[in-house]
Amino acid sequence: ETGVTQSPTHLIKTRGQQVTLRCSSQSGHNTVSWYQQALGQGPQFIFQYYREEENGRGNFPPRFSGLQFPNYSSELNVNALELDDSALYLCASSIPRTGGAAETQYFGPGTRLLVL
Amino acid sequence: QQQVKQSPQSLIVQKGGISIINCAYENTAFDYFPWYQQFPGKGPALLIAIRPDVSEKKEGRFTISFNKSAKQFSLHIMDSQPGDSATYFCAAVGIIQGAQKLVFGQGTRLTINP
Repeated sequence: ETGVTQSPTHLIKTRGQQVTLRCSSQSGHNTVSWYQQALGQGPQFIFQYYREEENGRGNFPPRFSGLQFPNYSSELNVNALELDDSALYLCASSIPRTGGAAETQYFGPGTRLLVL
Repeated sequence: QQQVKQSPQSLIVQKGGISIINCAYENTAFDYFPWYQQFPGKGPALLIAIRPDVSEKKEGRFTISFNKSAKQFSLHIMDSQPGDSATYFCAAVGIIQGAQKLVFGQGTRLTINP
């Protein structure tokens, strides 16, 4: 069983550019969530994908968008990058609730994005 | 209402001591409370979790205490070791506005002095 993987590990972009981050979920997990973690802060929920559809969104503007593919892998796209977008972007995979049991999310190592 | 408040922001404990981190939530829709450990440059790793139908859960040196009426929960690390030095996040999971959400606390930077 493989864990959650993310690519690339580090990325440097300039303001106004676009970026795509990728995530492969843990084997058997069909739900992927994305988080932004600024330096010294807790992760902030961006959105979640389940069965290739967005299933919940945090307080992030529309220039943050995503995709989930049939193999449950996912992409996070950010357009018109701003300096404040510099952060660690985390992907987490999980299995949705059944019978009222709560899900556990397993995180990847993250992609460190620096916007200059 | 979706916030999870965590304290202290930083904590220094001597080796062998007890580390205690506290969290509080407001939204009763939360029904699962995990704790994550994060080392520099790494993603958060699940440490231990509890559901609100129990008041305490213990796994090795790690114990969660849960007070449902006060909407508070805490992590106790017994016999703290230098390898425990990391940032700890409490979190709350629930169905919020029709979707599953995980809300993190602000984090506690724990340092264990040898």
